[in-house]
Parts: sequence; structure tokens; C-alpha cells
Amino acid sequence: DQQVKQNSPSLSVQEGRISILNCDYTNSMFDYFLWYKKYPAEGPTFLISISSIKDKNEDGRFTVFLNKSAKHLSLHIVPSQPGDSAVYFCAAKGMGAGNMLTFGGGTRLMVKP
Amino acid sequence: DAGITQSPRHKVTETGTPVTLRCHQTENHRYMYWYRQDPGHGLRLIHYSYGVKDTDKGEVSDGYSVSRSKTEDFLLTLESATSSQTSVYFCAIRGETGGYNEQFFGPGTRLTVL
Repeated sequence: DQQVKQNSPSLSVQEGRISILNCDYTNSMFDYFLWYKKYPAEGPTFLISISSIKDKNEDGRFTVFLNKSAKHLSLHIVPSQPGDSAVYFCAAKGMGAGNMLTFGGGTRLMVKP
Repeated sequence: DAGITQSPRHKVTETGTPVTLRCHQTENHRYMYWYRQDPGHGLRLIHYSYGVKDTDKGEVSDGYSVSRSKTEDFLLTLESATSSQTSVYFCAIRGETGGYNEQFFGPGTRLTVL
């Protein structure tokens, strides 16, 4: 059973608008959450993260929101740019040994000019 | 860039043959990871290492083995490749600043098992 889920496989947004990517998790023991961006034929690139003790983290155009009671996090991109078109993965880190990450299935974002 | 290289970048092999993928880092980081990426599954952890000769299993370790004889190199071996192991393989290292929470990925190896 997937502990981290991204229920939208794809999202299409107009340039300049807001992109909202969603992620749900089931394991309340996750203590840190991350978003990665992936272009074709490249490795995932770390984008932004949030600790479970916070509810918001902002970095330029990117903001991540965490709702622990709902076990839900979201990534907001404002304004969206064509270069943001990529696959976005959310990931969650457990508190056990190894700092292991559990990834969602990914959401493909397409930003149209 | 996180100073991670993977070799080969592409490989086509036949069922039943052994395959070894190499991950090399220049950062001298302690933790290294091997993932596979498949459509709809995101990235799934195969094995990880927390030091030279120290390794442990991940979520999808069956059919894979790893070795780490030097800090900078982490090898993933498919002893007898199967078609279900056709995938893109990514190596990662754990960041060693801040809370040690982030992982940084290499460029990947696309493996096709015929």
C-alpha cells in the first residue's frame, strides 16, 4: 500500500497562473517532507522541503504547505513559467535509520505559454 | 551539481545475464542510495549504504545486491537480470548540512532487459 500518493498524474496550467500540486500520506511518523523536480533524462532535483513541525515554507516562487491533521501537503508555484514544466515528486522521510525517503508517483506539470 | 556520476548511462542486456551499475560521488558523503523509477510508482528504494561495507535493504531489494568498498563508490548488481528489472536507476547521496534530510540524485542509468 502506497504511503505517499500523488493523485493527479498530470496538471496543465497557463503561464503566469498558479500551479498547485498535491500530495497525501498515510504514515504519521514521517517527520520531513520534500519536493523534487525532474526533467526528462535527468535525475530528480531537490526543490523545497518542510519539517513536520511547520505548516509553511517559502522559497521564491515556490511555497510548500503542510496540513498534518489531514496528512496532506501541497506545492504552490506562483507565477508558473514554461520552464517549470516537469514531473514533480513529493517525498516523505521517516524517523528510522537510514534517512529513507518514500516517494509519491509523481505529477507531470505542463505550463503553457 | 552534487558531484554524482553514474555509469553506464544506458545499457541493454539479455535475461539471465549479470549487470553491475556504478555510482561515484566526489562529496565524501557517508550515506548513498539506489532507487528505481517506474511509471506510476515514483522512486522506490532498492538498497542503501551508511558507510564502507555497511549496507541495508530497501523496499524492493529482491534480485539486487550492493557493495561499497570505498566511500566514493556504490555498486548495484543484478545477479541474473529479468525483464521486470527494466527501469531507470538513480543513485543518491544524503546531504550533510542542516538537518541531513535532503538527498541529491545522479543523472540515472536506463537499463533494458530483453
